[in-house]
Amino acid sequence: DIVMTQTPLSSPVTLGQPASISCKSSQSLVHSDGNTYLSWLHQRPGQPPRLLIYMLSNRFSGVPDRFSGSGAGTDFTLEISRVEAEDVGVYYCMQATHFPFTFGPGTKVDI
Amino acid sequence: EVQLVDSGGGLVEPGESLRISCAASGFILSNAYMHWVRQAPGKGLEWVGRIKSRSVGDTTEYAAPVRGRFIISRDDSKNTVSLQLNSLKTEDTAVYYCAREGSWTFEYWGRGTLVTVSS
Repeated sequence: DIVMTQTPLSSPVTLGQPASISCKSSQSLVHSDGNTYLSWLHQRPGQPPRLLIYMLSNRFSGVPDRFSGSGAGTDFTLEISRVEAEDVGVYYCMQATHFPFTFGPGTKVDI
Repeated sequence: EVQLVDSGGGLVEPGESLRISCAASGFILSNAYMHWVRQAPGKGLEWVGRIKSRSVGDTTEYAAPVRGRFIISRDDSKNTVSLQLNSLKTEDTAVYYCAREGSWTFEYWGRGTLVTVSS
């Protein structure tokens, strides 16, 4: 199975300031069809995860444009341009290029 | 609006069985790939298994820790996906989420149902 790692595992942030989370995979996530199936999810305390970014850099419906995803191959980044209070929680990267789908360990973001 | 409502969790003893369900609305369930993902208390997310759409034969696939013990099924007439958990172990204790696959990711999630395995 593909192993996903994230850094940092915990990140204190400042409201209004940028933040970024790194995710690395044990193998390239470039699919044979040329796409990279790397997603980012956000989970607030006591709530289910929700999708933020899919296919490396596409924001899901209703996701604010302060969230952006980038990267290639085995190295990926989620960036928040200006952190808001509602952004606290745990962020997970997830790959779906190789079966089974696997998740990173999560990065806890707090103010 | 897509909605997924998980239910059926509870407290069971090791070795027992439990069936949890996910009621879907807002889309045609038979056309969807549906997954179960679990989260042990204070831990991260773990993929459990999926059932493919009717058009590809309702094929099921499972993660290694649950293969041979868990069974995913779908009742399109009731718009429900179920997860039968057999031979439960203490390490199966978790919140179980159903999720709809789309764009090669999990687009929509249920709110989860807690399964506790303890003697």
